Amino acid sequence: DAGVIQSPRHEVTEMGQEVTLRCKPISGHNSLFWYRQTMMRGLELLIYFNNNVPIDDSGMPEDRFSAKMPNASFSTLKIQPSEPRDSAVYFCASRGGQKTYNEQFFGPGTRLTVL
Amino acid sequence: AQSVTQLDSHVSVSEGTPVLLRCNYSSSYSPSLFWYVQHPNKGLQLLLKYTSAATLVKGINGFEAEFKKSETSFHLTKPSAHMSDAAEYFCVVSAPRPDYGGATNKLIFGTGTLLAVQP
Repeated sequence: DAGVIQSPRHEVTEMGQEVTLRCKPISGHNSLFWYRQTMMRGLELLIYFNNNVPIDDSGMPEDRFSAKMPNASFSTLKIQPSEPRDSAVYFCASRGGQKTYNEQFFGPGTRLTVL
Repeated sequence: AQSVTQLDSHVSVSEGTPVLLRCNYSSSYSPSLFWYVQHPNKGLQLLLKYTSAATLVKGINGFEAEFKKSETSFHLTKPSAHMSDAAEYFCVVSAPRPDYGGATNKLIFGTGTLLAVQP
């Protein structure tokens, strides 16, 4: 298995532009998670989906952020308009099954820089 | 509510000496506990997990952790550090969410411990 796939790996954009991050979870996994990692705030959960349905989006910082999961093999995280404070590494993770001990598998991350 | 506290933000050891990374957790329910490792500019990789079976859990790369309910701790250890162990380590707790029918629950990450290994 190729693991969780994220694209792009690096993104540099200017303030005000729309940014779309993409994630392909591991085949057969039914939960998908979006995280943001910064030096100041560490690793934060933004939103997660179970069977393509958003379960908890309380970590989404504001209305500029939106996430979708149109099918079991694809999810997007969109920032519009982007701001310099959105600069961070964004991780996608997926998990199979419902047990609490089922680990999440992380993608390599997308490093976003907003100028 | 669930939370996890990593007591040391930085730990430095010499190659060949033991490693101890400390973690305390808080959970209203029977938790599952994990240690993840993140090497520079890489994603997070699972080291080991506790699932209410054996209290001493062995993971990859010679790491192990012991679940101590009385102390609410899940410290990570390794008998002999290697240069390649230099990375950031995250202690993580997960517990079921009754409001979601016990289904999909969140991982709560600690703030991380940066391990440096000196030659």
